[in-house]
Amino acid sequence: QKEVEQNSGPLSVPEGAIASLNCTYSDRGSQSFFWYRQYSGKSPELIMSIYSNGDKEDGRFTAQLNKASQYVSLLIRDSQPSDSATYLCAVSPSRQLTFGSGTQLTVLP
Amino acid sequence: NAGVMQNPRHLVRRRGQEARLRCSPMKGHSHVYWYRQLPEEGLKFMVYLQKENIIDESGMPKERFSAEFPKEGPSILRIQQVVRGDSAAYFCASSPGTGYSGEQYFGPGTRLTVT
Repeated sequence: QKEVEQNSGPLSVPEGAIASLNCTYSDRGSQSFFWYRQYSGKSPELIMSIYSNGDKEDGRFTAQLNKASQYVSLLIRDSQPSDSATYLCAVSPSRQLTFGSGTQLTVLP
Repeated sequence: NAGVMQNPRHLVRRRGQEARLRCSPMKGHSHVYWYRQLPEEGLKFMVYLQKENIIDESGMPKERFSAEFPKEGPSILRIQQVVRGDSAAYFCASSPGTGYSGEQYFGPGTRLTVT
């Protein structure tokens, strides 16, 4: 069983739509959760962190965490073509980050 | 540039040679993490170091791979006798030593190609 699972996609949404990315994790001891964005050929860039149940909003991004369901999601509102990238969910039960395999998002103009 | 620095950005080695990858953490950060991303695969943790200490090397292959973070200078990931399966992107991340929130910031990576 994978420790962090994401739908690999690809996920395509039209420009201006809401993109919804999902992630589940297996380690109930995990306390910290992150979303990274990775453009092709580039390094991961931290875009959101969330530590407690509920929603956390930052600009067009909203992260949602439900520890009981072991579920983390990322919503991107008003999606732009520049949001086209692979989104990595990461969980931190300890100092090391455990990553999902990523969801490839394409925003169509 | 106060970000995480890695060099070289691209490295080509022939099978059997040694590869040395360097990482300087972000200013004010004292903890370094190495991750590997194989083609078409996710990021995998390799090793976590503080100055002069390896804290967690549970993700490091048992043979040919080693890492250090000396008192002075960058952290180094060393791969001896490289094989084609070592071809990957190697990323370094850093975090502060105190007040750690779990957030790690990644460098640009070193793309290793073994021919």
